[in-house]
Amino acid sequence: SYELTQPPSVSVSPGQTASITCSGDKLGDEFACWYQQKPGQSPVVVIYQDSKRPSGIPERFSGSNSGNTATLTISGTQAMDEADYYCQAWDSSTGVFGGGTKLTVL
Amino acid sequence: EVQLVQSGAEVKKPGESLKISCKGSGYSFTTYWIGWVRQMPGKGLEWMGIIYPGDSDTRYSPSFQGQVTISADKSISTAYLQWSSLKASDTAMYYCARQLTTNDAFHIWGQGTKVTVSS
Repeated sequence: SYELTQPPSVSVSPGQTASITCSGDKLGDEFACWYQQKPGQSPVVVIYQDSKRPSGIPERFSGSNSGNTATLTISGTQAMDEADYYCQAWDSSTGVFGGGTKLTVL
Repeated sequence: EVQLVQSGAEVKKPGESLKISCKGSGYSFTTYWIGWVRQMPGKGLEWMGIIYPGDSDTRYSPSFQGQVTISADKSISTAYLQWSSLKASDTAMYYCARQLTTNDAFHIWGQGTKVTVSS
């Protein structure tokens, strides 16, 4: 079955840029999206179709997808961005999530 | 306002059956895919399956095929996730979520239904 691999954790200082990767075989051939989940809350989509931001998502969130890797980039990271982040893509007609990355802002 | 409202928390015993629900409002229920996502305690998100309420076209992750049944009643704008025989390992939070198009992200999420299976 198709697998997406994320680093378990990423740390970043406030104001710096955080990058979270998501790797999968030929991932760039499919759309990838990213979700943010804070403790006790439902996930929220922050990037869809590789690089599109839903309304209400700050401009500091951006995405790219090429080859075998999709990347979520958070520029000027703020304390409120501390959360778990999940990538998601498609294997034929079924979806797959990555294992998740805990972003720590310290 | 577009929203998905899920049924309340459940506590069940192993071997029991269960059906949880997800009611859509504020949009045309039959024209958007609804999916289900599992999150076991302290773990990540798992994609279970999706249904298109307009024609009940349903797709399952191989990991969940045969383990659960996804259905929808378009007359009451409600999607369902059901188990015929629960196991302790089904203990988790279950989310429903809506896609805009085929093979798209989940843009709208329900609040989650906590299912606890314990003897």
